[in-house]
Amino acid sequence: RKEVEQDPGPFNVPEGATVAFNCTYSNSASQSFFWYRQDCRKEPKLLMSVYSSGNEDGRFTAQLNRASQYISLLIRDSKLSDSATYLCAVKRNNFNKFYFGSGTKLNVKP
Amino acid sequence: EPEVTQTPSHQVTQMGQEVILRCVPISNHLYFYWYRQILGQKVEFLVSFYNNEISEKSEIFDDQFSVERPDGSNFTLKIRSTKLEDSAMYFCASNTQHSYNEQFFGPGTRLTVL
Repeated sequence: RKEVEQDPGPFNVPEGATVAFNCTYSNSASQSFFWYRQDCRKEPKLLMSVYSSGNEDGRFTAQLNRASQYISLLIRDSKLSDSATYLCAVKRNNFNKFYFGSGTKLNVKP
Repeated sequence: EPEVTQTPSHQVTQMGQEVILRCVPISNHLYFYWYRQILGQKVEFLVSFYNNEISEKSEIFDDQFSVERPDGSNFTLKIRSTKLEDSAMYFCASNTQHSYNEQFFGPGTRLTVL
């Protein structure tokens, strides 16, 4: 089983829509969770860390469900500029490396 | 805002040649990483480096790969004898133990092995 799994999409949504992505992780020892955004042929850029209590940053909300071993990202009021691939990353605190999912592609259309 | 830098942005090499990819991590960061991303695939961990030694490496990071921090700023990845399948984007990342563990990535080096 893959360490981290994501629906590859693409998710094609109109501007203003609300869209949600899930990411599942297989190792219960995972302790730190992140969402990164990656534009085509660019580096991953940190979007937000995911805290146990859930957290929000403007139009973006991240949630963690440890019992079901998944994290989610909700984007409200989608903008054209939100079009990108969204990567979830998982880290076990005893190790430094990140395990990345394959990414979910989002296309926001006018 | 400080950022990770990488050079070159694109490297083309012949199979069997050695390449060195260079990275300058953020200056107060203590942990350094190399990841690679084959076109259309996920970002994969190669190696982490702390206190002048490798702290962890993946099965991809075989004897053809090595890392070095030759001075106080540069962090390099060497591939001794490149193979076609080494063609990928190579990302350097860094972080400090006080930054809630998020890693900051450089813009990457696109390696093309012919």
